[in-house]
Amino acid sequence: GNSVTQMEGPVTLSEEAFLTINCTYTATGYPSLFWYVQYPGEGLQLLLKATKADDKGSNKGFEATYRKETTSFHLEKGSVQVSDSAVYFCALSGQGAQKLVFGQGTRLTINP
Amino acid sequence: GAVVSQHPSRVICKSGTSVKIECRSLDFQATTMFWYRQFPKKSLMLMATSNEGSKATYEQGVEKDKFLINHASLTLSTLTVTSAHPEDSSFYICSARADSPNNSPLHFGNGTRLTVT
Repeated sequence: GNSVTQMEGPVTLSEEAFLTINCTYTATGYPSLFWYVQYPGEGLQLLLKATKADDKGSNKGFEATYRKETTSFHLEKGSVQVSDSAVYFCALSGQGAQKLVFGQGTRLTINP
Repeated sequence: GAVVSQHPSRVICKSGTSVKIECRSLDFQATTMFWYRQFPKKSLMLMATSNEGSKATYEQGVEKDKFLINHASLTLSTLTVTSAHPEDSSFYICSARADSPNNSPLHFGNGTRLTVT
């Protein structure tokens, strides 16, 4: 079945540091890939997505590129801020499917 | 923008009692809603897919008699945890997608933290 594996956290960085959170997936066909963010006490919000190979999703300075050859969708940001502290989830939806399969989440803490 | 409202945000109940959690799409219609459970420091696990006007589809290992789902209208789905036990304590999150246009994004509620004492 479909699955998503994220790098384990927690991840702690200083402000303005470069961020990478690794995500790899297993799926049949051509899934869509997502990154969701969960701020403390809140539900999940869609951060970015990519629906086909080589697509790059981007939002709020975050980027992720759909790499079919390495089955990866790593999240990157060039300069993180304290306000980026949250839990980040990588997810996929199978081809034609509505439901999402999530990775285990990575807690990110940015120190000033 | 599209909003999904979940209520209550927190609930504490005694073992053996039942708890109902509501999930509403505030400005769109959603034939299908999804219920997830999030364990501490773990990912979200899909529990069931709620279908308006028909029975919910439960994921493997989820007890349908324990987690009753009712999707009575195009804007409301409810999850009732029956005869709750401490091991049911968790964070429950619903999500919904507008019926149109196609490929509408999935919106999540803010979740309900259930504590069973």
